[in-house]
Amino acid sequence: VQLQESGPGLVRPSETLSLTCTVSGGSLETFYWSWIRQPPGKGLEWVGYIYFTGNANYNPSLKSRLTMSVDTSKNLFSLRLSSVTAADTAVYYCARVLDSGGFAFDIWGQGTMVTVSS
Amino acid sequence: DIEMTQSPSSVSASVGDRVTITCRASYSINRWLAWYQQKPGKAPKLLIYDASRLHSGVPSRFSGSGSGTEFILTISSLQPDDFATYYCQQANSLPPGTFGGGTKVEI
Repeated sequence: VQLQESGPGLVRPSETLSLTCTVSGGSLETFYWSWIRQPPGKGLEWVGYIYFTGNANYNPSLKSRLTMSVDTSKNLFSLRLSSVTAADTAVYYCARVLDSGGFAFDIWGQGTMVTVSS
Repeated sequence: DIEMTQSPSSVSASVGDRVTITCRASYSINRWLAWYQQKPGKAPKLLIYDASRLHSGVPSRFSGSGSGTEFILTISSLQPDDFATYYCQQANSLPPGTFGGGTKVEI
């Protein structure tokens, strides 16, 4: 299974950041899928996860601006983060949740850098 | 919200050294704890999940222990490929995902 993030590398402040993660070599079904981000030079921050049925759970600090969705026909899931500021500048990773009962992330995309700037 | 505290934030070590990294949770997460290794410019890699289970393909020099609020990652004999930053993550059901601040292992 491989994951590949895609989306614009530059987003203007107050606009909406949109990213897609395409899953290849396996199915979305029966797994949870997640987004994690990492500001330059800083640590990892969990953004949210979504089940293949569409049920989602978001980081409380982002919940009011965040929407995640899944498209099983195209084998991809997506993130939309509205009203972005410079604080949203980060490498965004998509990842699969390991099927072990907990929420560890066993497969990661390579990451995509998103810069919020005018 | 749960907080994850790693220590130390950095450690200097040599090839062959035994290295231990501690992760503390602000309240009990049972055994829902994962460890990752990240190298510059790369995505993190899962090393350990469920506190002590070695992920597929990970060398046996890596091990994890602990439960409740205190967890330890041990590298039994540090190899050149192990110089990286290590993160713990609470993998509890709701809400999941909080990471520790990271520990940089350097020469």
